[in-house]
Amino acid sequence: IAGITQAPTSQILAAGRRMTLRCTQDMRHNAMYWYRQDLGLGLRLIHYSNTAGTTGKGEVPDGYSVSRANTDDFPLTLASAVPSQTSVYFCASSGLAGRGNEQFFGPGTRLTVL
Amino acid sequence: KQEVTQIPAALSVPEGENLVLNCSFTDSAIYNLQWFRQDPGKGLTSLLLIQSSQREQTSGRLNASLDKSSGRSTLYIAASQPGDSATYLCAVRPGVGNYGQNFVFGPGTRLSVLP
Repeated sequence: IAGITQAPTSQILAAGRRMTLRCTQDMRHNAMYWYRQDLGLGLRLIHYSNTAGTTGKGEVPDGYSVSRANTDDFPLTLASAVPSQTSVYFCASSGLAGRGNEQFFGPGTRLTVL
Repeated sequence: KQEVTQIPAALSVPEGENLVLNCSFTDSAIYNLQWFRQDPGKGLTSLLLIQSSQREQTSGRLNASLDKSSGRSTLYIAASQPGDSATYLCAVRPGVGNYGQNFVFGPGTRLSVLP
């Protein structure tokens, strides 16, 4: 593994189903983030974690939950998917100080909720 | 609330031209600013990171400047190539004590470099 990986690459999901998007980084970064990217709305922060064991809400957290059990993994869960959650989801990570603030992104997960 | 805008929304230039992309932000109390490129259907690739104490950063044909007092950053691309075609996004990290440590992204500039 080099950088950030996300799984699945894409998914079609029926409304009401539960779904977990996976994110793993191997850079030992403290901070991790989940964004969604929608045409016309740009990138919006869903949830973030500044360090293992802590999480926080971003701009659009409703309908999503996260956990950060260790440094490397930051899964995003949709408890009961709705069509408005159709989007491209990006996971990112960064250090917390100086040059380490540079943010790196995963390849994304394209999610369609029908 | 920090807001980030990018002008122009789209730009088409012939190969070989030098070009400038603009990024503006409303709150000058930033920690740093980062420029990314995004190819269609792909994730974001980091290009340059400028700390709040810096005026510019250079990487190859790319040069990014930062003027905190006026709330502006520019990305200069020299001798553009068709491979530079992508969407370019800027993102600012608000200063600690204001909005936490989370980036605010601009909407992007879609660049097309014609052969």
